[in-house]
Parts: sequence; structure tokens; C-alpha cells
Amino acid sequence: AQSVTQPDIHITVSEGASLELRCNYSYGATPYLFWYVQSPGQGLQLLLKYFSGDTLVQGIKGFEAEFKRSQSSFNLRKPSVHWSDAAEYFCAVGAGQAGTALIFGKGTTLSVSS
Amino acid sequence: EADIYQTPRYLVIGTGKKITLECSQTMGHDKMYWYQQDPGMELHLIHYSYGVNSTEKGDLSSESTVSRIRTEHFPLTLESARPSHTSQYLCASSDPSGGGYGYTFGSGTRLTVV
Repeated sequence: AQSVTQPDIHITVSEGASLELRCNYSYGATPYLFWYVQSPGQGLQLLLKYFSGDTLVQGIKGFEAEFKRSQSSFNLRKPSVHWSDAAEYFCAVGAGQAGTALIFGKGTTLSVSS
Repeated sequence: EADIYQTPRYLVIGTGKKITLECSQTMGHDKMYWYQQDPGMELHLIHYSYGVNSTEKGDLSSESTVSRIRTEHFPLTLESARPSHTSQYLCASSDPSGGGYGYTFGSGTRLTVV
């Protein structure tokens, strides 16, 4: 069965420092992969997605993610974190027929220190 | 600007009451979803619909029910609320483009049953 693991429950990063959030998935074929961000009291906003092609994808707000098939990973990165990036981040996988509901990880909470 | 609307945003209700959480979207999406989100946990799919008069239960067992009489409207009903139903409920719809994975989420309804 498909699954998503986000190993880090909570990460604290200094403002201006780089960020990497980890995501590992389990799926037999090439998955559709997503990163979402959720600010307190809000719904989820799509940061970026990978379907096929270039394994390094660019998203909104300066985020990027790299798909590594050999490691079953799709880690999210940002070179310089801003205080406004503090939020919860969810990795998700879509598998099978397009439009099938997404499977989410448990999320990583990002805190940004000044 | 949100194209998918959930009301109410917050609801505190007594045990045994019947409640309906509203979800409407203006994008003409056929596919809509309800997810349940608890703190520190992944989002769990509880219901989905692939179009009018189509509803299915998701991976997480839920005592709620849904209906899809109109494309734009996908309400979720709890006939008799219990404290175990306390959670955040997120509604989403998906776009036929982008491989069917162009998910848009509402802002959520945070339900507390006392």
C-alpha cells in the first residue's frame, strides 16, 4: 500500500539559514508527489508537485524539491528561510488513477528563530 | 482568493446534536474530498465524490455521511455528534488538468463536541 513518511515532527531553523524537510514514500510505480504548506487555522496550499521529467522541481515562495527514485525520497528545500515560512508542511503522494485521493504524511512543523 | 469555501470555520456543539459542515466550490470541479485532520497526524480521507450522485467512503472509518446533489456543493453531516468527532475537517476539490491532481483546499472547519 502507498504510504508517506516525514521523519521529522518538528524542526527549528534560524532565519536566513537553509532548510531541508525530508519525505519518503512507498509506492511500486512512479508516484505523483506533492508538498503542501498549512498556516495556523488555514487550509493547505500547494507549494510544488512532481509528475515526471526533471527531478528538481521549483515551487512557490522560493521552495524546491528533488525526486530521488533510488531513495524513494522527495525532500523539500529552501536556501534561506524567512520568519513567514513558519508553518506545517505536508508531503503527499498520489498513486494509481489520476484523481485518486492523495495520501499524506503526518507533517513537519517548522519554527523559525530570529 | 479561495475558490472553495467551508462554513462554519469554528463550531462548538453539544453531544447528540446533528450538524452539517458546508463545502462549496466555484471551479466546476467534478472530484471533491473530505479529510479529517488531528494535531500531529496525517490527513485522513473520510469521503470522496467523483461527480453528482457519486459518493464513496475513504480510508478512515467515519460516522459522517455526505451528499453530492450539485457539482459545486459537498456537505458533510453528523447525525449525532460525539466528543470523538472533535477534529478539523478539510474539504478539497481537484482539477481535471495536471493529471487530475490540482487539489484546492478550503480553510477547514474546526469542530469541538462538548
